[in-house]
Amino acid sequence: GAGVSQSPSNKVTEKGKDVELRCDPISGHTALYWYRQRLGQGLEFLIYFQGNSAPDKSGLPSDRFSAERTGESVSTLTIQRTQQEDSAVYLCASSLGGAIGTQYFGPGTRLLVL
Amino acid sequence: RKEVEQDPGPFNVPEGATVAFNCTYSNSASQSFFWYRQDCRKEPKLLMSVYSSGNEDGRFTAQLNRASQYISLLIRDSKLSDSATYLCVVNQDTGRRALTFGSGTRLQVQP
Repeated sequence: GAGVSQSPSNKVTEKGKDVELRCDPISGHTALYWYRQRLGQGLEFLIYFQGNSAPDKSGLPSDRFSAERTGESVSTLTIQRTQQEDSAVYLCASSLGGAIGTQYFGPGTRLLVL
Repeated sequence: RKEVEQDPGPFNVPEGATVAFNCTYSNSASQSFFWYRQDCRKEPKLLMSVYSSGNEDGRFTAQLNRASQYISLLIRDSKLSDSATYLCVVNQDTGRRALTFGSGTRLQVQP
């Protein structure tokens, strides 16, 4: 079946502009996660959605970052007033609610802020 | 101290070699442990979970030492296709279900 998809695959933007990244999880997966991976670094947790529960936003680095999810489907991550340090790969993952370890990742969106 | 620490490598080994990666984690309340594999410019994929009693999947063996807060991955009979970055991953049981990733250990298997 279809895996996690993300769009766009690459995004180049100018400092100060807003960007919106999209994630389509695997159908039926109730949990959705956003991570950020800077070049040569590990993954940083950003935000987690589980069903209709309030999202865990504890990983968002600043109030310029926000995310939404409609039900148990698509999620968008928005970065306002982008900065050069926001340049990274943004990875989305989804999992069945009870399977913490089996997170399936999308291919990521490579964001470059000039 | 980082929450999950790994030797970044790279580990350069010949085909057929046995190689071991180590990982330490800081939170003694951590509940779940995994190894993920990430190929260059690709997304991470689950390689295997790590169980308290240790577990094996083909050429791969994972061990957990809770007392020392230490996880290991052993790869036997290395293949060229094993070349990748291996990520040590921990669920820290902080009430959220996201995972904490180490920075990864890069393995390069050479012919």
